[in-house]
Amino acid sequence: GESVGLHLPTLSVQEGDNSIINCAYSNSASDYFIWYKQESGKGPQFIIDIRSNMDKRQGQRVTVLLNKTVKHLSLQIAATQPGDSAVYFCAERSTGFQKLVFGTGTRLLVSP
Amino acid sequence: KAGVTQTPRYLIKTRGQQVTLSCSPISGHRSVSWYQQTPGQGLQFLFEYFSETQRNKGNFPGRFSGRQFSNSRSEMNVSTLELGDSALYLCASSERGDNEKLFFGSGTQLSVL
Repeated sequence: GESVGLHLPTLSVQEGDNSIINCAYSNSASDYFIWYKQESGKGPQFIIDIRSNMDKRQGQRVTVLLNKTVKHLSLQIAATQPGDSAVYFCAERSTGFQKLVFGTGTRLLVSP
Repeated sequence: KAGVTQTPRYLIKTRGQQVTLSCSPISGHRSVSWYQQTPGQGLQFLFEYFSETQRNKGNFPGRFSGRQFSNSRSEMNVSTLELGDSALYLCASSERGDNEKLFFGSGTQLSVL
């Protein structure tokens, strides 16, 4: 069945460090992936997305890497700031575009 | 553009009651999806509407229902509330209805006592 998992439930970094949040997915037919950031009391906020025909995509301070061979997705945040502290979710689009399947989330804690 | 708006922000109900949650999508977005978020189960898909038609439904009992109006606003209803229905209910909209770039509202926090 479909499942999207995360390797680490909590990631603690120092301000200014680079952060890497990992995600494994099981559906090799998924063609679209997306990362969300969720702060306490708020809904998930879109960060960056990537299609399966790409292996890397960059945004402002963020990069998403997709390795289809091992079905692995990662989010890299450069120069992590305290404001980046949140829970990060990856999600994959199931076949037939019917819905997004979300991972369990990784909490990122950034210390000043 | 205004973002996705969900009302009310908080709700407290008792078992057996029913509840209606409202969602106004981003202007121009025709697809609205609903998700349930709990600490134990994470984000679970409830259903998706596009142009007033339910296109897909998640694995939830029939007590959970929804609808979409001609202006793309959506409502979801939960009847005969159970304690386990306590959750954050999130609405998301997208422009093309292909589940790319879903934009979420802040959610309705439902507590069932």
